[in-house]
Amino acid sequence: KAGVTQTPRYLIKTRGQQVTLSCSPISGHRSVSWYQQTPGQGLQFLFEYFSETQRNKGNFPGRFSGRQFSNSRSEMNVSTLELGDSALYLCASSSTTGLGHNEQFFGPGTRLTVL
Amino acid sequence: GEDVEQSLFLSVREGDSSVINCTYTDSSSTYLYWYKQEPGAGLQLLTYIFSNMDMKQDQRLTVLLNKKDKHLSLRIADTQTGDSAIYFCAESIDNQGGKLIFGQGTELSVKP
Repeated sequence: KAGVTQTPRYLIKTRGQQVTLSCSPISGHRSVSWYQQTPGQGLQFLFEYFSETQRNKGNFPGRFSGRQFSNSRSEMNVSTLELGDSALYLCASSSTTGLGHNEQFFGPGTRLTVL
Repeated sequence: GEDVEQSLFLSVREGDSSVINCTYTDSSSTYLYWYKQEPGAGLQLLTYIFSNMDMKQDQRLTVLLNKKDKHLSLRIADTQTGDSAIYFCAESIDNQGGKLIFGQGTELSVKP
């Protein structure tokens, strides 16, 4: 079974631009979560999508948004990029349909650099 | 509130046991997880424990949970150089669906 894939793996943008990152979950997984990883803040939860609906959201500004398609693939978008948005963005998928045990499988991440 | 704390560094000799510690604050945690991250890679789930368990063993890994003190530990027996990585503990809150709260990560260095 193929793992979680993320594209692109590396991205360089300039301040003020916007960016879209893509995540394809493991086949059959309906939940996709996004995390931002930086040296200073560590791993922080952005949001989770389940069956095309945002089920949970972290404490990030509205510049960060996401969506999920009917095939469970997910995209996240960051508008008006700031230098502080430079980070590794990780996507995780899960087959969990409800609450409780939430075994998340992570992709390799997209390294975003904002200049 | 939601907060998970870990010590930042641990150095051990090959063949020794490693113990990585973690504390969490949210008493509504249901599951606690240990992830491993190698350079340039995503996170790999190592093991997990349900909050009503005290211990779980999985080959070289032993997880101990003290729910009263909200303390979690991961013991790696016979540590190898290939175990060098960053280890994250994470908690899943019962009413928060797919949200995991991660600690800062402990960098484990294994010296030959």
